[in-house]
Amino acid sequence: GDSVTQMEGPVTLSEEAFLTINCTYTATGYPSLFWYVQYPGEGLQLLLKATKADDKGSNKGFEATYRKETTSFHLEKGSVQVSDSAVYFCALTSGGSNYKLTFGKGTLLTVNP
Amino acid sequence: EAGVTQSPTHLIKTRGQQATLRCSPISGHTSVYWYQQALGLGLQFLLWYDEGEERNRGNFPPRFSGRQFPNYSSELNVNALELEDSALYLCASSSGTGQYSNQPQHFGDGTRLSIL
Repeated sequence: GDSVTQMEGPVTLSEEAFLTINCTYTATGYPSLFWYVQYPGEGLQLLLKATKADDKGSNKGFEATYRKETTSFHLEKGSVQVSDSAVYFCALTSGGSNYKLTFGKGTLLTVNP
Repeated sequence: EAGVTQSPTHLIKTRGQQATLRCSPISGHTSVYWYQQALGLGLQFLLWYDEGEERNRGNFPPRFSGRQFPNYSSELNVNALELEDSALYLCASSSGTGQYSNQPQHFGDGTRLSIL
């Protein structure tokens, strides 16, 4: 079945540091890939997505590239801010007749001033 | 544009009771999904409704059920509540579920269900 593996947290960085959160996946067919962010006490917000190989999703300074050859979708940001502190989830849908999101376990990011 | 709205925000029940959670999707969205976010278990897919029909369900017992109304809003019902049902229940909606659709799911803020 489908699965998503993302790096264990927590990750603690200083403001303006570079961020990478690794994500790899196993899926049938050609999945769509997503990063969601969850701020304390809130639901999930879509951060970015990519729907085919070599697509790059980007939003709010975050980027991730769909790498079919390495089945990866790593999240990066060049300079994090305190306001980026949240839990980040990598997820996929296989499409076809099954549109459920399969999530990684989430990575807690804390950015210190 | 109003986002996905869920009610109530918090719900406290005791073992054996029944809980009803409600979700209103984004206007124009026809698909509604339910997920459970339990401590230590991550986000688990529960149910998917599209055009009033249940299309898929996750690995949950039959006491988890729901429905989708003609206006595309949805209810999740949990019968015979158990302590391990304590979790944040998230609803999401999306538009277009054609065979090759890849529209993202947009989430509400969830209902926190606590079982005493």
